[in-house]
Amino acid sequence: GQSLEQPSEVTAVEGAIVQINCTYQTSGFYGLSWYQQHDGGAPTFLSYNALDGLEETGRFSSFLSRSDSYGYLLLQELQMKDSASYFCVDTGGFKTIFGAGTRLFVKA
Amino acid sequence: DTGVSQDPRHKITKRGQNVTFRCDPISEHNRLYWYRQTLGQGPEFLTYFQNEAQLEKSRLLSDRFSAERPKGSFSTLEIQRTEQGDSAMYLCASSLTGTDEYGYTFGSGTRLTVV
Repeated sequence: GQSLEQPSEVTAVEGAIVQINCTYQTSGFYGLSWYQQHDGGAPTFLSYNALDGLEETGRFSSFLSRSDSYGYLLLQELQMKDSASYFCVDTGGFKTIFGAGTRLFVKA
Repeated sequence: DTGVSQDPRHKITKRGQNVTFRCDPISEHNRLYWYRQTLGQGPEFLTYFQNEAQLEKSRLLSDRFSAERPKGSFSTLEIQRTEQGDSAMYLCASSLTGTDEYGYTFGSGTRLTVV
């Protein structure tokens, strides 16, 4: 079967750095995406890694290691508005498989 | 472009009734996806269209569910003989072929409650 594992919850303080890990076990893997979802809102695309290495987009960075079937999302200079759920996603062509999500709580 | 629109935002129905949801994707997007999300879980893939062709349907989807995308523009998702287990948020997303690096654009969803 196909699955992605990520921690269910992470708590960090405002201004800090937090890393959300994701391990995957899928067939036909194309790449790893990350989405953010605030309570009651729609998932919003953050990043996509097709190749090994680090992709940086502002305060957010995402990393992929295909050999380890592992990736992470790094959030820097945390802000209260970053409190949300974060999903790693196996972006396998048209059939995306979402992880169960990591709920990030940012404290003042 | 106003993004992906879904209608209605909320639907309450009695068990056994049929319901239909509509999704209007971003106009230039040729791919359209339906997902279902329950509380505390990630979106679960239901089905996918490329233009008007339905190319994939989840095996988790029972025969009570059907989706269409006539003319390759808007899409409808119908659930027949609804059950309480169908209560969930139904999300639609769209994308353009060959643009995985830009991700999918999701609509705000239709929240279905079956009573």
